[in-house]
Amino acid sequence: KAGVTQTPRYLIKTRGQQVTLSCSPISGHRSVSWYQQTPGQGLQFLFEYFSETQRNKGNFPGRFSGRQFSNSRSEMNVSTLELGDSALYLCASNPSTGLGSYEQYFGPGTRLTVT
Amino acid sequence: GEDVEQSLFLSVREGDSSVINCTYTDSSSTYLYWYKQEPGAGLQLLTYIFSNMDMKQDQRLTVLLNKKDKHLSLRIADTQTGDSAIYFCAEYNYGQNFVFGPGTRLSVLP
Repeated sequence: KAGVTQTPRYLIKTRGQQVTLSCSPISGHRSVSWYQQTPGQGLQFLFEYFSETQRNKGNFPGRFSGRQFSNSRSEMNVSTLELGDSALYLCASNPSTGLGSYEQYFGPGTRLTVT
Repeated sequence: GEDVEQSLFLSVREGDSSVINCTYTDSSSTYLYWYKQEPGAGLQLLTYIFSNMDMKQDQRLTVLLNKKDKHLSLRIADTQTGDSAIYFCAEYNYGQNFVFGPGTRLSVLP
């Protein structure tokens, strides 16, 4: 089985721009979670999608949004980029049933640099 | 809220055992995990333990769980230079988010 794929792997944007990151989960996995990883804050949970619905949300401003498609692929969007949004954005795939699942597998991440 | 703590650094000699420790606050955590992150990569799931277990062994890895003290440890036997990485402890309860610790940077000295 192919693992979790994330595109692009690297991205450089300017303050004020917006960005869209993509994640394709492991085949058959229905849940996708997104995390932001920075040296100062560590791994912080952004949101989780299951069957095209946001199931859980972390404590991030509304500039961070996401969605999930019927094939379970997910995108996250950050609008009006700030310097502090520079981070590694990780997507995690989960075979979740409706009750949740304890297995979570990560993609390689997208390194976003905001200048 | 939930919190997971780890020491930030650990250095060991090649061939020695490494023990990475973690404490958590959520007594209702159902699963506890160890992930490994190498430079420039995502997180790799190493092993996990269900909260009703005390120990789990998987080749060179041994996980010990002390639920009373909310303490989790990962022992790596015969540590190799390829084990140099950041190790994250995480907890999970159904219907909630995964909560990760800050990570322990393991350096293996030749």
